[in-house]
Amino acid sequence: QKEVEQNSGPLSVPEGAIASLNCTYSDRGSQSFFWYRQYSGKSPELIMSIYSNGDKEDGRFTAQLNKASQYVSLLIRDSQPSDSATYLCAVNTGNQFYFGTGTSLTVIP
Amino acid sequence: NAGVTQTPKFRILKIGQSMTLQCTQDMNHNYMYWYRQDPGMGLKLIYYSVGAGITDKGEVPNGYNVSRSTTEDFPLRLELAAPSQTSVYFCASRQGTGELFFGEGSRLTVL
Repeated sequence: QKEVEQNSGPLSVPEGAIASLNCTYSDRGSQSFFWYRQYSGKSPELIMSIYSNGDKEDGRFTAQLNKASQYVSLLIRDSQPSDSATYLCAVNTGNQFYFGTGTSLTVIP
Repeated sequence: NAGVTQTPKFRILKIGQSMTLQCTQDMNHNYMYWYRQDPGMGLKLIYYSVGAGITDKGEVPNGYNVSRSTTEDFPLRLELAAPSQTSVYFCASRQGTGELFFGEGSRLTVL
């Protein structure tokens, strides 16, 4: 059983703050890593993908990957109320994608 | 370009009934996946396919069957529906090592 663990929520941050979301995975052979955002009643949508160690920035979002520690994180800068959603960490191992249980984020205006 | 299309969006079944959730994609993706999502939980992989004619079990395959006769279609069959199969079902596809593209989901209730 491949495991993907996310930091327990829910997480609440004030508008304009930095939200930090964390994820660990159990399979060292995992190849690629993704963060999805899911609004209530909707399907997941891709926020970031990261394939190699280090940081990857896209606008207000930064993904960080540390394969030695089997750890991937997502930072959301200048958080907005529209960022309020559940964030899912996904790990690709071979032909399969495994998801964490998600972290619920609320941005308080 | 419709992406991944799932039907039906909503369905209520009685215990013991059977049904098929349809999934089709128009992106010529080789890989297709079926997930279920229970309230407050992440996505659990039911079945996946790496190409036409090839399917394999995921984490929670019991009570389900799939087929992949074409690149575009990946239907999920529920036999003898049980209340434990009440869930939201997502179909997804991808190409190569890229991201998953999701359909809008099918909400199934078994009473």
